[in-house]
Amino acid sequence: DAGITQSPRHKVTETGTPVTLRCHQTENHRYMYWYRQDPGHGLRLIHYSYGVKDTDKGEVSDGYSVSRSKTEDFLLTLESATSSQTSVYFCAISHSGGGTDTQYFGPGTRLTVL
Amino acid sequence: RKEVEQDPGPFNVPEGATVAFNCTYSNSASQSFFWYRQDCRKEPKLLMSVYSSGNEDGRFTAQLNRASQYISLLIRDSKLSDSATYLCVVLGGATNKLIFGTGTLLAVQP
Repeated sequence: DAGITQSPRHKVTETGTPVTLRCHQTENHRYMYWYRQDPGHGLRLIHYSYGVKDTDKGEVSDGYSVSRSKTEDFLLTLESATSSQTSVYFCAISHSGGGTDTQYFGPGTRLTVL
Repeated sequence: RKEVEQDPGPFNVPEGATVAFNCTYSNSASQSFFWYRQDCRKEPKLLMSVYSSGNEDGRFTAQLNRASQYISLLIRDSKLSDSATYLCVVLGGATNKLIFGTGTLLAVQP
């Protein structure tokens, strides 16, 4: 299995509070991604990173920010959590970011915003 | 219209059966196609890529029909361990990012 961990694995928080999710990899892959998965939707890309301090928006980036200060860590922050951000969040990594490059996923974080 | 559409199922089949899933995609410029497998409450994992000529990996066969813009996954001799959600994934033509279908749930019964 790819060396990807996510923390926390489960979190319950209240509306309006800030939340930071962490993705950590030991593979030294350049590309990292944050997705959310909700019933009735496929995984949707929130943000991605193509190197240290290099990030870009995905399909559903509103309400989220990211940071990558080291190759191995990619942080996702909900500045002020809302109930619509209740979801399962997956981090993924890939070596080159090319379309045919396999993405490896972390175990996910289940976030509930009350 | 969603970019990638799948029948959500569930497909309930007995052990040993052959089952097929289809997936349609809307962007004719899409170039890369994949099937991922996701077990309940787990992360998705790549099952196989789908090539224009079709490809086979053991009991699994994937095919691409560009003219009709669909891909298929055939599972022969189903095992209990095949029970999972199968995600159809297409490389977005404009964004060069993966677009995931909502998945098809397969339940193999003993």
